[in-house]
Amino acid sequence: DTAVSQTPKYLVTQMGNDKSIKCEQNLGHDTMYWYKQDSKKFLKIMFSYNNKELIINETVPNRFSPKSPDKAHLNLHINSLELGDSAVYFCASSQVQSYGYTFGSGTRLTVV
Amino acid sequence: KQEVTQIPAALSVPEGENLVLNCSFTDSAIYNLQWFRQDPGKGLTSLLLIQSSQREQTSGRLNASLDKSSGRSTLYIAASQPGDSATYLCAVSALDQTSGSRLTFGEGTQLTVNP
Repeated sequence: DTAVSQTPKYLVTQMGNDKSIKCEQNLGHDTMYWYKQDSKKFLKIMFSYNNKELIINETVPNRFSPKSPDKAHLNLHINSLELGDSAVYFCASSQVQSYGYTFGSGTRLTVV
Repeated sequence: KQEVTQIPAALSVPEGENLVLNCSFTDSAIYNLQWFRQDPGKGLTSLLLIQSSQREQTSGRLNASLDKSSGRSTLYIAASQPGDSATYLCAVSALDQTSGSRLTFGEGTQLTVNP
């Protein structure tokens, strides 16, 4: 299936830990993104990469570090997790703007 | 800064009704507008994509319109069914290539269709 897949689907961890979320797309898209959906269900962009190059870096704590080993993968590493990091994180990809965006199924992160 | 507003925030209708969801955006310099559906605890499913040069798109019982100059879009759902119950999200794509492509989302309309 052509898709954007992210793992894990659920992640429960203690404050202070470091964790990673992985994302892969097999759509051949050039651009990948991380979006965060907060407790009020509002979606907001965090990062975007185009052909492994960082394009957008919103006002996100530097504890969050995206890494793109190739244009099909965009991983998100989070250091020193805090309670406020609890949210659903969505990976997405697009080829050119005219074709729209495809989203992964999300990773629900709970920090306890 | 682009802002997207969706009205109403929640809507409850009986099965079979036709309904309209509204989306407005503050900056008309968009590349396209996309409607998504999100089921509880699930990801986003793309419903319709309207390019900035288009006025509407249709898929089955769904019809989305776009009036870029006035900063408005509507999603029309005909003959609603309980399976249409979900949150519907409107998102606009930025036009400025140098600042990167990004989607700006509204806060969504939570639709409940009662049998």
